[in-house]
Amino acid sequence: GAVVSQHPSWVICKSGTSVKIECRSLDFQATTMFWYRQFPKQSLMLMATSNEGSKATYEQGVEKDKFLINHASLTLSTLTVTSAHPEDSSFYICSARVPGGAGNNEQFFGPGTRLTVL
Amino acid sequence: AQKVTQAQTEISVVEKEDVTLDCVYETRDTTYYLFWYKQPPSGELVFLIRRNSFDEQNEISGRYSWNFQKSTSSFNFTITASQVVDSAVYFCALSEASNNAGNMLTFGGGTRLMVKP
Repeated sequence: GAVVSQHPSWVICKSGTSVKIECRSLDFQATTMFWYRQFPKQSLMLMATSNEGSKATYEQGVEKDKFLINHASLTLSTLTVTSAHPEDSSFYICSARVPGGAGNNEQFFGPGTRLTVL
Repeated sequence: AQKVTQAQTEISVVEKEDVTLDCVYETRDTTYYLFWYKQPPSGELVFLIRRNSFDEQNEISGRYSWNFQKSTSSFNFTITASQVVDSAVYFCALSEASNNAGNMLTFGGGTRLMVKP
């Protein structure tokens, strides 16, 4: 149980285009999902916390107009990178928190999406 | 504010050696959770362990063991008889129970472990 999927697993796009990444909780409902970004050989940095039915909470330094997050249902959150530029090339990872789980703070991670902007 | 430090950025060992990955954390909360994740080259994070702040018992799972010491704010991870398949980046992470952002995780910088045959 507690499987999280991401789509696509990788994407290559031209500079200036927008890219949408989907994060789905497959066998549980997630009221809270998280989006992380990981540059090569670096750690995961939290970008935003996505709450179903409300606006996402962005971390300091993350442009909310550039990284649009929509958590429209209990099993789906999307991250749209608008007008992507080469510096947005990164590994984007989502996670979903299991509500009321035994560990209370346990998150399950998706497999990640590698974005390359040419 | 919470912070996790993994001082070892890269470790190289020969197969069958034991290796310990260090993790030191900072938090003002009395209730918190500590995690270890493995990230193989494929990129997917693999959950290894979760420990809450009230449980200082060390844990062993096969070749893996964890040493949680609140007195030194450390949560070290040891792999005994390392294998080539253990080669990966390992992340230590912390989550504070009082965090208003829905239990966000703060990750350490990661330790790249290379196990040579």
